[in-house]
Amino acid sequence: NAGVMQNPRHLVRRRGQEARLRCSPMKGHSHVYWYRQLPEEGLKFMVYLQKENIIDESGMPKERFSAEFPKEGPSILRIQQVVRGDSAAYFCASSQLQAGGEQYFGPGTRLTVT
Amino acid sequence: EDKVVQSPLSLVVHEGDTVTLNCSYEVTNFRSLLWYKQEKKAPTFLFMLTSSGIEKKSGRLSSILDKKELFSILNITATQTGDSAVYLCAVEAGNAGNMLTFGGGTRLMVKP
Repeated sequence: NAGVMQNPRHLVRRRGQEARLRCSPMKGHSHVYWYRQLPEEGLKFMVYLQKENIIDESGMPKERFSAEFPKEGPSILRIQQVVRGDSAAYFCASSQLQAGGEQYFGPGTRLTVT
Repeated sequence: EDKVVQSPLSLVVHEGDTVTLNCSYEVTNFRSLLWYKQEKKAPTFLFMLTSSGIEKKSGRLSSILDKKELFSILNITATQTGDSAVYLCAVEAGNAGNMLTFGGGTRLMVKP
Protein backbone atom coordinates (compact mmCIF):
# COMPACT_ATOMS: atom_id res chain seq x y z
CA ASN A 1 0.00 0.00 0.00
CA ALA A 2 2.41 2.62 -1.27
CA GLY A 3 1.81 6.17 -0.19
CA VAL A 4 2.52 9.30 -2.19
CA MET A 5 5.91 8.99 -3.84
CA GLN A 6 8.17 11.82 -4.80
CA ASN A 7 11.53 11.86 -6.49
CA PRO A 8 14.17 12.89 -6.27
CA ARG A 9 14.29 13.42 -2.51
CA HIS A 10 17.12 15.88 -2.85
CA LEU A 11 18.00 17.95 -5.89
CA VAL A 12 20.87 20.38 -6.32
CA ARG A 13 20.82 22.78 -9.24
CA ARG A 14 22.99 25.71 -10.24
CA ARG A 15 21.34 29.04 -10.94
CA GLY A 16 19.85 29.07 -14.42
CA GLN A 17 19.32 25.32 -14.68
CA GLU A 18 15.99 23.55 -14.80
CA ALA A 19 14.52 21.48 -11.97
CA ARG A 20 12.00 18.69 -12.50
CA LEU A 21 10.17 17.26 -9.53
CA ARG A 22 8.01 14.16 -9.82
CA CYS A 23 5.04 12.97 -7.82
CA SER A 24 3.09 9.73 -8.01
CA PRO A 25 -0.17 9.90 -6.05
CA MET A 26 -1.50 7.18 -3.81
CA LYS A 27 -3.24 4.33 -5.58
CA GLY A 28 -6.82 5.29 -6.33
CA HIS A 29 -6.18 9.02 -5.95
CA SER A 30 -6.74 11.25 -8.94
CA HIS A 31 -6.23 14.67 -7.35
CA VAL A 32 -2.72 16.05 -6.92
CA TYR A 33 -1.59 19.17 -5.08
CA TRP A 34 1.82 20.81 -4.93
CA TYR A 35 2.93 22.86 -1.92
CA ARG A 36 6.15 24.73 -1.22
CA GLN A 37 7.76 25.15 2.18
CA LEU A 38 10.39 27.84 2.31
CA PRO A 39 12.94 27.70 5.15
CA GLU A 40 11.30 28.60 8.46
CA GLU A 41 7.94 29.19 6.77
CA GLY A 42 4.68 27.31 6.52
CA LEU A 43 3.41 25.26 3.63
CA LYS A 44 2.00 27.31 0.77
CA PHE A 45 -0.34 25.96 -1.90
CA MET A 46 0.95 26.16 -5.46
CA VAL A 47 -1.24 24.17 -7.83
CA TYR A 48 -4.03 21.61 -7.94
CA LEU A 49 -4.28 19.14 -10.81
CA GLN A 50 -6.36 16.27 -12.01
CA LYS A 51 -5.38 14.00 -14.88
CA GLU A 52 -4.60 16.22 -17.90
CA ASN A 53 -6.15 19.26 -16.23
CA ILE A 54 -4.91 22.15 -14.13
CA ILE A 55 -7.77 23.00 -11.80
CA ASP A 56 -6.28 25.79 -9.71
CA GLU A 57 -2.85 27.37 -10.18
CA SER A 58 -3.49 30.46 -8.11
CA GLY A 59 -0.45 29.78 -5.93
CA MET A 60 2.03 29.33 -8.75
CA PRO A 61 4.54 32.08 -9.53
CA LYS A 62 3.63 33.59 -12.88
CA GLU A 63 6.97 32.91 -14.52
CA ARG A 64 9.35 29.94 -14.70
CA PHE A 65 7.01 27.50 -12.90
CA SER A 66 4.74 24.99 -14.60
CA ALA A 67 3.00 21.77 -13.63
CA GLU A 68 1.37 18.90 -15.42
CA PHE A 69 -0.35 15.63 -14.61
CA PRO A 70 -0.46 13.58 -17.81
CA LYS A 71 -2.80 10.73 -18.54
CA GLU A 72 0.03 8.29 -17.93
CA GLY A 73 2.85 8.80 -15.48
CA PRO A 74 3.56 11.04 -12.53
CA SER A 75 2.74 14.67 -12.00
CA ILE A 76 5.68 16.94 -12.73
CA LEU A 77 6.52 20.34 -11.30
CA ARG A 78 9.01 22.13 -13.53
CA ILE A 79 11.04 25.15 -12.53
CA GLN A 80 13.00 26.80 -15.31
CA GLN A 81 16.05 29.01 -14.81
CA VAL A 82 16.16 28.38 -11.07
CA VAL A 83 17.27 31.12 -8.70
CA ARG A 84 18.48 30.91 -5.10
CA GLY A 85 15.06 31.92 -3.83
CA ASP A 86 13.60 28.71 -5.28
CA SER A 87 15.49 26.69 -2.66
CA ALA A 88 12.77 25.04 -0.59
CA ALA A 89 11.04 21.77 0.16
CA TYR A 90 8.39 20.93 -2.41
CA PHE A 91 5.65 18.62 -1.20
CA CYS A 92 3.09 16.80 -3.25
CA ALA A 93 -0.20 15.61 -1.78
CA SER A 94 -2.99 13.51 -3.20
CA SER A 95 -6.60 12.92 -2.36
CA GLN A 96 -9.35 10.65 -3.51
CA LEU A 97 -12.11 13.22 -3.45
CA GLN A 98 -12.30 16.62 -5.03
CA ALA A 99 -13.69 18.16 -1.86
CA GLY A 100 -13.83 17.05 1.71
CA GLY A 101 -11.20 14.37 1.41
CA GLU A 102 -8.00 14.05 3.40
CA GLN A 103 -4.83 14.98 1.59
CA TYR A 104 -1.87 12.65 2.09
CA PHE A 105 1.60 14.05 1.62
CA GLY A 106 4.68 12.63 0.02
CA PRO A 107 8.16 12.86 1.59
CA GLY A 108 8.98 16.01 -0.37
CA THR A 109 11.82 17.07 -2.64
CA ARG A 110 14.38 19.36 -1.10
CA LEU A 111 15.67 21.67 -3.83
CA THR A 112 18.92 23.53 -3.26
CA VAL A 113 20.02 26.13 -5.76
CA THR A 114 23.71 26.98 -5.63
CA GLU B 1 -7.53 36.37 1.70
CA ASP B 2 -7.89 33.15 3.70
CA LYS B 3 -5.94 33.13 6.93
CA VAL B 4 -5.02 30.43 9.45
CA VAL B 5 -3.22 31.35 12.67
CA GLN B 6 -1.74 28.89 15.14
CA SER B 7 -0.63 29.47 18.69
CA PRO B 8 1.61 29.18 20.49
CA LEU B 9 4.49 29.33 17.99
CA SER B 10 6.48 26.95 20.14
CA LEU B 11 6.08 25.01 23.34
CA VAL B 12 8.45 23.11 25.61
CA VAL B 13 6.98 20.61 28.06
CA HIS B 14 8.09 17.57 30.03
CA GLU B 15 7.00 14.00 29.45
CA GLY B 16 3.62 13.34 30.97
CA ASP B 17 2.34 16.89 30.57
CA THR B 18 -0.85 17.71 28.68
CA VAL B 19 -0.71 20.29 25.90
CA THR B 20 -3.33 22.23 23.99
CA LEU B 21 -2.54 23.67 20.58
CA ASN B 22 -4.75 26.33 19.05
CA CYS B 23 -5.81 27.12 15.52
CA SER B 24 -8.04 29.99 14.44
CA TYR B 25 -9.12 30.75 10.90
CA GLU B 26 -10.79 33.29 8.66
CA VAL B 27 -11.75 31.77 5.33
CA THR B 28 -14.46 31.97 2.71
CA ASN B 29 -16.59 28.86 2.15
CA PHE B 30 -15.13 26.70 4.91
CA ARG B 31 -15.24 22.97 4.22
CA SER B 32 -12.99 21.26 6.74
CA LEU B 33 -10.06 21.70 9.10
CA LEU B 34 -7.17 19.28 9.18
CA TRP B 35 -4.34 18.65 11.64
CA TYR B 36 -0.97 17.26 10.59
CA LYS B 37 2.21 16.30 12.42
CA GLN B 38 5.51 17.13 10.71
CA GLU B 39 8.81 15.66 11.83
CA LYS B 40 11.42 16.91 9.33
CA LYS B 41 9.63 15.13 6.51
CA ALA B 42 6.15 14.71 5.10
CA PRO B 43 3.25 16.07 7.13
CA THR B 44 1.43 13.08 8.58
CA PHE B 45 -2.35 13.29 8.64
CA LEU B 46 -3.92 13.30 12.12
CA PHE B 47 -7.53 14.49 11.95
CA MET B 48 -10.09 16.05 9.69
CA LEU B 49 -12.93 18.00 11.29
CA THR B 50 -16.03 19.21 9.54
CA SER B 51 -18.68 19.55 12.26
CA SER B 52 -18.70 21.66 15.39
CA GLY B 53 -18.60 20.05 18.80
CA ILE B 54 -17.73 16.52 17.73
CA GLU B 55 -14.46 15.40 19.27
CA LYS B 56 -12.15 13.22 17.25
CA LYS B 57 -9.80 10.96 19.20
CA SER B 58 -6.83 8.84 18.34
CA GLY B 59 -4.99 7.43 21.34
CA ARG B 60 -3.63 10.32 23.37
CA LEU B 61 -4.56 12.89 20.74
CA SER B 62 -7.93 14.55 20.38
CA SER B 63 -9.30 17.52 18.51
CA ILE B 64 -12.47 19.54 18.32
CA LEU B 65 -13.81 22.25 16.06
CA ASP B 66 -15.92 25.33 16.86
CA LYS B 67 -17.35 26.70 13.61
CA LYS B 68 -19.11 29.55 15.36
CA GLU B 69 -15.96 30.93 16.96
CA LEU B 70 -13.78 29.77 14.03
CA PHE B 71 -11.19 27.78 15.89
CA SER B 72 -9.98 24.30 16.68
CA ILE B 73 -7.82 22.81 19.39
CA LEU B 74 -5.56 19.79 19.38
CA ASN B 75 -4.96 18.14 22.75
CA ILE B 76 -2.17 15.74 23.54
CA THR B 77 -2.29 14.03 26.92
CA ALA B 78 0.56 12.22 28.70
CA THR B 79 3.06 13.61 26.21
CA GLN B 80 6.07 11.53 25.15
CA THR B 81 9.36 12.56 23.56
CA GLY B 82 8.09 11.04 20.31
CA ASP B 83 5.40 13.72 20.21
CA SER B 84 8.10 16.33 19.54
CA ALA B 85 7.28 17.77 16.12
CA VAL B 86 5.70 20.70 14.34
CA TYR B 87 1.93 20.48 14.39
CA LEU B 88 0.22 22.03 11.41
CA CYS B 89 -3.35 23.18 11.11
CA ALA B 90 -4.84 23.56 7.63
CA VAL B 91 -8.22 24.67 6.37
CA GLU B 92 -9.92 23.54 3.21
CA ALA B 93 -12.07 26.28 1.75
CA GLY B 94 -13.20 27.87 -1.47
CA ASN B 95 -14.93 26.64 -4.56
CA ALA B 96 -12.22 25.26 -6.81
CA GLY B 97 -11.40 22.03 -5.05
CA ASN B 98 -9.75 21.36 -1.75
CA MET B 99 -6.54 23.39 -1.68
CA LEU B 100 -5.33 23.75 1.89
CA THR B 101 -4.34 26.96 3.61
CA PHE B 102 -1.83 26.19 6.34
CA GLY B 103 -1.04 27.96 9.55
CA GLY B 104 2.54 28.60 10.55
CA GLY B 105 2.63 25.60 12.84
CA THR B 106 3.34 25.03 16.53
CA ARG B 107 6.72 23.56 17.34
CA LEU B 108 6.36 21.19 20.29
CA MET B 109 9.35 19.88 22.17
CA VAL B 110 8.80 17.23 24.85
CA LYS B 111 11.72 16.81 27.24
CA PRO B 112 12.33 13.56 29.09
